[in-house]
Amino acid sequence: GAVVSQHPSRVICKSGTSVKIECRSLDFQATTMFWYRQFPKQSLMLMATSNEGSKATYEQGVEKDKFLINHASLTLSTLTVTSAHPEDSSFYICSARDGQGINSYEQYFGPGTRLTVT
Amino acid sequence: GESVGLHLPTLSVQEGDNSIINCAYSNSASDYFIWYKQESGKGPQFIIDIRSNMDKRQGQRVTVLLNKTVKHLSLQIAATQPGDSAVYFCAEIVTGFQKLVFGTGTRLLVSP
Repeated sequence: GAVVSQHPSRVICKSGTSVKIECRSLDFQATTMFWYRQFPKQSLMLMATSNEGSKATYEQGVEKDKFLINHASLTLSTLTVTSAHPEDSSFYICSARDGQGINSYEQYFGPGTRLTVT
Repeated sequence: GESVGLHLPTLSVQEGDNSIINCAYSNSASDYFIWYKQESGKGPQFIIDIRSNMDKRQGQRVTVLLNKTVKHLSLQIAATQPGDSAVYFCAEIVTGFQKLVFGTGTRLLVSP
């Protein structure tokens, strides 16, 4: 089946620093990737949608200058949290959509990255 | 609309019981629905999906029911096992749009 990986799985950083999270589709080409944020005991909230080779589309309320998304290839998207603050501590999850798949709506989710900002 | 929950509703069942998890979706234009299972510290895992032109779909030990009249979706798990303990989310999508909208989620606790 389609596999999506994320790296790192956990990261702790100091307030004011930047952190990069990678999302990779391992066995398919992901024309579209999505980034979600999940706070404890809450649902997944979509942050942005990125299509390979174009700028990401951010959801309302998500600062594009703070959460930088790059989708430079069909298998890799990165999310950089710039100038991180403790309130950015969360579980970040990516998903990838296989544009060539039979069911083009299906998204395959990564295992998530736990970010803790101290 | 977007779902923001302050806490997760919990369903507690005994091993071997049948579980029913409910979800009210928000957009009458949604035409594709998915149930996900999320274990602690992991990403969501696809369970089963259903299109709006169906009202029932069965998988292995799971059944999804869709009632478009009242915008209600349910997930039935037969012979629930301790390994089914997790948080379950429904998600909806509208044709022509790419993004999934997740429901609040329900925590399923299965005791032996």
